[in-house]
Amino acid sequence: EPEVTQTPSHQVTQMGQEVILRCVPISNHLYFYWYRQILGQKVEFLVSFYNNEISEKSEIFDDQFSVERPDGSNFTLKIRSTKLEDSAMYFCASSVSPNTGELFFGEGSRLTVL
Amino acid sequence: SQQGEEDPQALSIQEGENATMNCSYKTSINNLQWYRQNSGRGLVHLILIRSNEREKHSGRLRVTLDTSKKSSSLLITASRAADTASYFCAINQAGTALIFGKGTTLSVSS
Repeated sequence: EPEVTQTPSHQVTQMGQEVILRCVPISNHLYFYWYRQILGQKVEFLVSFYNNEISEKSEIFDDQFSVERPDGSNFTLKIRSTKLEDSAMYFCASSVSPNTGELFFGEGSRLTVL
Repeated sequence: SQQGEEDPQALSIQEGENATMNCSYKTSINNLQWYRQNSGRGLVHLILIRSNEREKHSGRLRVTLDTSKKSSSLLITASRAADTASYFCAINQAGTALIFGKGTTLSVSS
């Protein structure tokens, strides 16, 4: 069964360092998303992406964040200068239809900022 | 806030019992979805109910939607230990991304 894959599963970084989280969405999906979940808390929307541009972003997705689809398969989230409060589980998701159908989530990348 | 609010925050039951989780929201919706998350894992879609639907079933899951009360419920019948997980409702509004609630943590003991 097709699935969304994310790497790395866990990354530890120092405050101020740049981090890139990678995702391979399901191949026939066209809509991509990043969500994050601080330990034990709610799942928060960060950004949605379609046709090589951001279609929607939340207040959390400030200038420190960027997304890119560098090739036909990968979808990346970059945090330019990490802060302690960026420590969270980051989930990539993809979908066939925009904002109406189900999302397929990856297993997440746990980011720990020291 | 657009997000759904689940109730209760935590629920502990015995195997074989039914589990009911509720979700309330404040805006008009296209659809409402329920997801499950095992500890430390990704979210898995369970069921989607559209705004013009009142009830849907999928196996041991039953979802209801009352748009006049802006609420939904998820019923898991004959629960099993493997149903232990967090359950999230997610609101889809027109033209916006899916917004998740805070979740209900279900613990099913054998």
